[in-house]
Amino acid sequence: EPEVTQTPSHQVTQMGQEVILRCVPISNHLYFYWYRQILGQKVEFLVSFYNNEISEKSEIFDDQFSVERPDGSNFTLKIRSTKLEDSAMYFCASSPEVVYQETQYFGPGTRLLVL
Amino acid sequence: AQSVTQPDIHITVSEGASLELRCNYSYGATPYLFWYVQSPGQGLQLLLKYFSGDTLVQGIKGFEAEFKRSQSSFNLRKPSVHWSDAAEYFCAVGASGGSYIPTFGRGTSLIVHP
Repeated sequence: EPEVTQTPSHQVTQMGQEVILRCVPISNHLYFYWYRQILGQKVEFLVSFYNNEISEKSEIFDDQFSVERPDGSNFTLKIRSTKLEDSAMYFCASSPEVVYQETQYFGPGTRLLVL
Repeated sequence: AQSVTQPDIHITVSEGASLELRCNYSYGATPYLFWYVQSPGQGLQLLLKYFSGDTLVQGIKGFEAEFKRSQSSFNLRKPSVHWSDAAEYFCAVGASGGSYIPTFGRGTSLIVHP
């Protein structure tokens, strides 16, 4: 069964450094998402992406964050200058369509630790 | 805006026992409701979803959930738990009249004793 993959599974970085989290969505999906979960807290929506542009973003997704689909398979989340509070599990998801009846398929996550 | 409360952070059950995980939502109209499971090292997997119709929803892995509008609840149940059900369970609510992005609860960690 096709699945969403994410790399790396874990990343440790120093505060102020840039990080890029990578995701490979399911190949025929059109909509892509990033979520994050700070330890012990809720899964929070960051951004959705369709047709090479952001379709929706949350208040968390400020100017330090950016997303890109650099080729036909990868979907990346970049944090330009990491802060301690960016430490979290980051989930990528994809779906064939954007309606509620369509399931979002999630990757296993990247655990980011900012020191 | 919609919100979800999962009042139990941890639930411990014995293998073979029944299970009920609680979920309460807040939303002014008819919500779209989801339960996801996350096993260690895995992504979030959809167990079941409710959009309309029959309020008792069947999902994968023997799970079911019942939508109770009067109680604003969408509790997840399983009659007999297996050790492999040990995981993190997330309830989520989506807005039927607005953004399609689901709002998640903080999750309930299920521990299964042999």
